[in-house]
Amino acid sequence: SYELTQPPSVSVSPGQTAKITCSGDSLPKQYASWYQQKPGQTPIIIIYKDTERPSGIPERFSGSSSGTTVTLTISGVQAEDEADYYCQSADSSNSFLGVFGGGTKLTVL
Amino acid sequence: EVQLVESGGGLVQPGGSLRLSCIASGFSLSSHWMSWVRQAPGKGLEWVANVKQDGSERYYMDSVKGRFTISRDNAKNTLYLQMNRLRAEDTALYYCARDPCGDGCFSGYFDSWGQGTLVTVSS
Repeated sequence: SYELTQPPSVSVSPGQTAKITCSGDSLPKQYASWYQQKPGQTPIIIIYKDTERPSGIPERFSGSSSGTTVTLTISGVQAEDEADYYCQSADSSNSFLGVFGGGTKLTVL
Repeated sequence: EVQLVESGGGLVQPGGSLRLSCIASGFSLSSHWMSWVRQAPGKGLEWVANVKQDGSERYYMDSVKGRFTISRDNAKNTLYLQMNRLRAEDTALYYCARDPCGDGCFSGYFDSWGQGTLVTVSS
């Protein structure tokens, strides 16, 4: 099986920097993406191919990758960033098999 | 504007069947890999299955293999998920999602999502 592991929760004060990690054996071989989901809403893509940011996503969102861990960094966190964040990637031996991390609840204190 | 609209969800008894549909508009369905992703109530996202642009390749998560079938009708701009032998643990909001890479390629992530259709498996 293939899994991605995220911390269940991260808390940060407004204006601070939040870092959400995602770990998995497939990550050295597969790109990761990140999604933001607010209550009652559909997920939106905020980072793809480890570090790329879609148009319209604020610059305070960034992604990085190192070995078996990818990290979503939110600089200067705002109250509106409170949401669930999911990493997503693929099986190390079959790129067509998708997998999501368990999700991280970001709380802005 | 890209739009994905799911339908077909509902209440079904364990062991029963449902067919979900996802109608696409605002883009050419035939150019994109498409996926189904589900979310159980209060839980995280779970990738379920995907299908290549021409339907020639399909992949599934282990727990639905042999029970679910993903398919597409590009002429009708519609993606399907046939779900058989449903279990209580299949209860979830089912989203269809688009891979952004068109023209025969595969990106492996999702740039557009529908609003989802709720499947409840219960006696």
